[in-house]
Amino acid sequence: QVQLQQWGAGLLKPSETLSLTCVVHGGSFGGYYWSWIRQPPGKGLEWIGEINQSGSTNYNPSLKSRVTISVDTSKRQFSLKVTSVTAADTAVYYCVRDWQQALFNSFDPWGQGTLVTVSP
Amino acid sequence: DIQMTQSPSPLSASVGDRVTITCRASQSIGNSLNWYQHKPGKAPKLLIYAASSLQSGVPSRFSGSGSGTDFTLTISSLQPEDFATYFCQQSYSTPLFTFGPGTTVDVK
Repeated sequence: QVQLQQWGAGLLKPSETLSLTCVVHGGSFGGYYWSWIRQPPGKGLEWIGEINQSGSTNYNPSLKSRVTISVDTSKRQFSLKVTSVTAADTAVYYCVRDWQQALFNSFDPWGQGTLVTVSP
Repeated sequence: DIQMTQSPSPLSASVGDRVTITCRASQSIGNSLNWYQHKPGKAPKLLIYAASSLQSGVPSRFSGSGSGTDFTLTISSLQPEDFATYFCQQSYSTPLFTFGPGTTVDVK
């Protein structure tokens, strides 16, 4: 059974860099894309971007200029960095596996989520 | 971007009720629609993928239907553990995935 465990700083000041890491326990690490998704308080979910084992990435155009997703295959980890954060980046951030079944993509499983608050 | 909307929100129901949640896409997405359940403080859980396929381990009281722009999630007989927020997600415009705003099912 695949489980995702994530960690990172939960309180940032404006202009700082958000940094989160997710480790994959169990199952195969290769052969999947791994995504980051966030949910601001009281708002809907937003897909941030994804990476695969080879380091190939796709980003949401709305965040692309500030986001970097990287992978460390040897540690079964992938990471998210968001530069120049503002209060608008305050959200619960989730790491997830892009799961493909019968040529349809979905997200399963999800990490436990990390609340990141940006405040002066 | 493909925009997703959901109705109703919130939805008040009682144990044993048949509950139906609707999700609508701003353009046709075929069957590329997933449903998730989210409880406070927990990781979201995949319920339905490809509009109508039940994820392994999910109780059969959950079902999904629809194609094109209109989709529904049905809980045939609401159980106490089903009070949660449900959201849809389109995977048609891979990899630019988008989500619905969520429907909270609370106690009537």
